[in-house]
Amino acid sequence: DTGVSQNPRHKITKRGQNVTFRCDPISEHNRLYWYRQTLGQGPEFLTYFQNEAQLEKSRLLSDRFSAERPKGSFSTLEIQRTEQGDSAMYLCASSLGGDSRNLFPQHFGDGTRLSIL
Amino acid sequence: GENVEQHPSTLSVQEGDSAVIKCTYSDSASNYFPWYKQELGKGSQLIIDIRSNVGEKKDQRIAVTLNKTAKHFSLHITETQPEDSAVYFCAAPLLTGGGNKLTFGTGTQLKVEL
Repeated sequence: DTGVSQNPRHKITKRGQNVTFRCDPISEHNRLYWYRQTLGQGPEFLTYFQNEAQLEKSRLLSDRFSAERPKGSFSTLEIQRTEQGDSAMYLCASSLGGDSRNLFPQHFGDGTRLSIL
Repeated sequence: GENVEQHPSTLSVQEGDSAVIKCTYSDSASNYFPWYKQELGKGSQLIIDIRSNVGEKKDQRIAVTLNKTAKHFSLHITETQPEDSAVYFCAAPLLTGGGNKLTFGTGTQLKVEL
């Protein structure tokens, strides 16, 4: 059973550097979500894709953040010019598509933990 | 937008006892309520969910109840075991945009003591 896969599991970098994370969703899932989780909090929504289209971005996603899902399969999340406040766990989730009357469960990966020195 | 509050923040029970975690939500249009279990260093694992057309759902030792009128839902774990120790999160969807964006509670650290 192949679940959501995220790489790398951990990333340590100096402030000001760029970082990129990858997420491979469950293969038949056409929706892919990115969340961020800081210590002692629940995950917070960042953005989501329906196939290759990025349909919504949270105001948490500053201009330094960019996400892509070029072929509607895996996705990347890039953070440019990292800041101390970017230190967090970045979680990816995927689900089947559906409308608001019939929502499908989101399945999460184990996340990428980013530490900014 | 949706606001989800979760209580308690920590919960200690003796092995074999029951544990109950409660959440309230603000958007009366919310229609889907998942619960996730997060173990140290891992992502969130979906353990049970409930839709607004039912009041209760059970899966072995885990159950979720929903009170739409009061806008609250609860996770019940019976016959707790040490492996149930984890952080549990409730969530509700933010339905604007139709994307099933989840708003999470702040989590409950459950500790099952021997």
